[in-house]
Amino acid sequence: DVQLGQSGAEVKKPGESLKISCKGSGYTFTNYWVAWLRQMPGKGLEWMGIIYPVDSDTRYSPSFQGHVTISVDKSISTAYLEWSSLKASDSAMYYCARLQGYLDYWGQGTLVTVSS
Amino acid sequence: EIVLTQSPGTLSLSPGERATLSCRASQSVSRNYFAWYQQKPGQAPRLLIHDASKRATGIPDRFSGSGSGTDFTLTISRLEPEDLAVYYCQQYESSPYSFGQGTKVEIK
Repeated sequence: DVQLGQSGAEVKKPGESLKISCKGSGYTFTNYWVAWLRQMPGKGLEWMGIIYPVDSDTRYSPSFQGHVTISVDKSISTAYLEWSSLKASDSAMYYCARLQGYLDYWGQGTLVTVSS
Repeated sequence: EIVLTQSPGTLSLSPGERATLSCRASQSVSRNYFAWYQQKPGQAPRLLIHDASKRATGIPDRFSGSGSGTDFTLTISRLEPEDLAVYYCQQYESSPYSFGQGTKVEIK
């Protein structure tokens, strides 16, 4: 079975750094782009960016360019989403998903809470 | 960026009724690279429809997608209580692959 397993919930303070992960299994990880999406509390889905595991080609949505870093370690079939300095407004649920243009398999989500 | 506008914001119907959800794009999605997702409370979204009208694996045939160009529709032919969810449309013709703001389906 295709699965995307995300790392657990995080509680951080403003200014701290954070890296969350998304591990693919049950398929050839390097054959598909991986997408990251944000869902703020009570709101809709926002496209953050995508990465291709073979060569780490990364495409960011203009709204997120410069605010987050997407990376991948293809040797362990894992994609990452990273912040160098969190803000309270980064509090949200973050999803990874396998991209075929459409998103056919989703991770369970990682809840990030940023509070002083 | 293609902007997607969904209507209505909320749909309240009884079990067995037909639900029609609309999504309008700010510019033509000419290759029908269009998808619909269902997000139940507390869960991750799930793919229902891709390429405007193709049901994803395991999706019941009461869900159907149609449309072309700038106007797309998701139809749930006979609502069931477990269809309580927010439904999102998405285009994947032009990066960034944007979403609509969602339609909430309530069951009376």
